[in-house]
Amino acid sequence: AQSVSQHNHHVILSEAASLELGCNYSYGGTVNLFWYVQYPGQHLQLLLKYFSGDPLVKGIKGFEAEFIKSKFSFNLRKPSVQWSDTAEYFCAVSGTGGFKTIFGAGTRLFVKA
Amino acid sequence: EAGVTQFPSHSVIEKGQTVTLRCDPISGHDNLYWYRRVMGKEIKFLLHFVKESKQDESGMPNNRFLAERTGGTYSTLKVQPAELEDSGVYFCASSLGLRDTQYFGPGTRLTVL
Repeated sequence: AQSVSQHNHHVILSEAASLELGCNYSYGGTVNLFWYVQYPGQHLQLLLKYFSGDPLVKGIKGFEAEFIKSKFSFNLRKPSVQWSDTAEYFCAVSGTGGFKTIFGAGTRLFVKA
Repeated sequence: EAGVTQFPSHSVIEKGQTVTLRCDPISGHDNLYWYRRVMGKEIKFLLHFVKESKQDESGMPNNRFLAERTGGTYSTLKVQPAELEDSGVYFCASSLGLRDTQYFGPGTRLTVL
């Protein structure tokens, strides 16, 4: 079955702490991987994506994620979080044909100022 | 450039009533997707249009849900009759091509009482 598992539902960090959000997927075949973010009161937006090539991808606002094919993982990282990173983060996967995207349940990150 | 818009932003209806949700994609985007998120769970794919054609409707829960995209522009999602379990946030997204970034709308929060 196609699925995405996000390891933590809620994460609380202090500013300047490092962040790593875990994501594992189950999907047959070659995949595209995504991290989306929804800031309070805003639309869901793409943070970064992996289609092919370098498994370490960099996104907006200093976020990066590493695709480890052998572990079916695509963890999101940021060396030093800011209060403005408070949001809900979603990991997602699709086949390389595109369209149907499978999302995880989301991780709510709260950064204390 | 205007983003993806959805109407209404909120809808509260009683069980058995009919509700129609509307999505206006970004102009020129051939691909339009509907997703649903039920109470803190994962965002689930409902269906995908390419222009006016349904490319994949494998995520539609049952035949009480009907999606249309007449003329390949805006799309509607009708729920008739609504049930309690249909409550959730319905997201629409659009993309230029299949492998292009999906841009999400703000969502419609549907509450069925």
